[in-house]
Amino acid sequence: SAVISQKPSRDICQRGTSLTIQCQVDSQVTMMFWYRQQPGQSLTLIATANQGSEATYESGFVIDKFPISRPNLTFSTLTVSNMSPEDSSIYLCSVEDRMSGGAVLVPDTQYFGPGTRLTVL
Amino acid sequence: RKEVEQDPGPFNVPEGATVAFNCTYSNSASQSFFWYRQDCRKEPKLLMSVYSSGNEDGRFTAQLNRASQYISLLIRDSKLSDSATYLCVVNEGGGADGLTFGKGTHLIIQP
Repeated sequence: SAVISQKPSRDICQRGTSLTIQCQVDSQVTMMFWYRQQPGQSLTLIATANQGSEATYESGFVIDKFPISRPNLTFSTLTVSNMSPEDSSIYLCSVEDRMSGGAVLVPDTQYFGPGTRLTVL
Repeated sequence: RKEVEQDPGPFNVPEGATVAFNCTYSNSASQSFFWYRQDCRKEPKLLMSVYSSGNEDGRFTAQLNRASQYISLLIRDSKLSDSATYLCVVNEGGGADGLTFGKGTHLIIQP
């Protein structure tokens, strides 16, 4: 499976500020996703990061609040804008494992980065 | 987005016992199914995929019942290190969408 890193691993931010989270993969992957895990909850998909085009957002998430970049097949960023305490959460990127040429090794398997723990005061 | 339901537990199980979890999903068009394990303050990690014919990996057995729309995970000879939250995960299709996660079942193996 791909090795995924995220920066920062954690941060404490003031209300009204923005934070950009980086996700780096050690190999080219077709699909990258951003999830949120709020305290005591399971994971919720925020959006699919599309290389070369705008991200695809899930219901309840909008580009103005969570702008996403995907400049190439190994890197993506998620920005949490104009933060409030309700945005305190763990943010995780994930990648879909595909062999070169597009064949899927294990169908739709996703692997997760270590997460970014965000606390908004 | 469709629902994936799990018993949150906690399941308190003595070491060496066998424990089983079930998970139900609401979208009959769902195409692939997984069990992930999440340790405290860590990211989810794939435990095993779930295939229609059922599959086994060591002490772990996963089964899928499409007619009843449920997935099960069986852990035999449980170890202390099996203590974790087990997430039932469904991909609703196409490979282009993300995953739908259940809220997880918390398992505690007691010595």
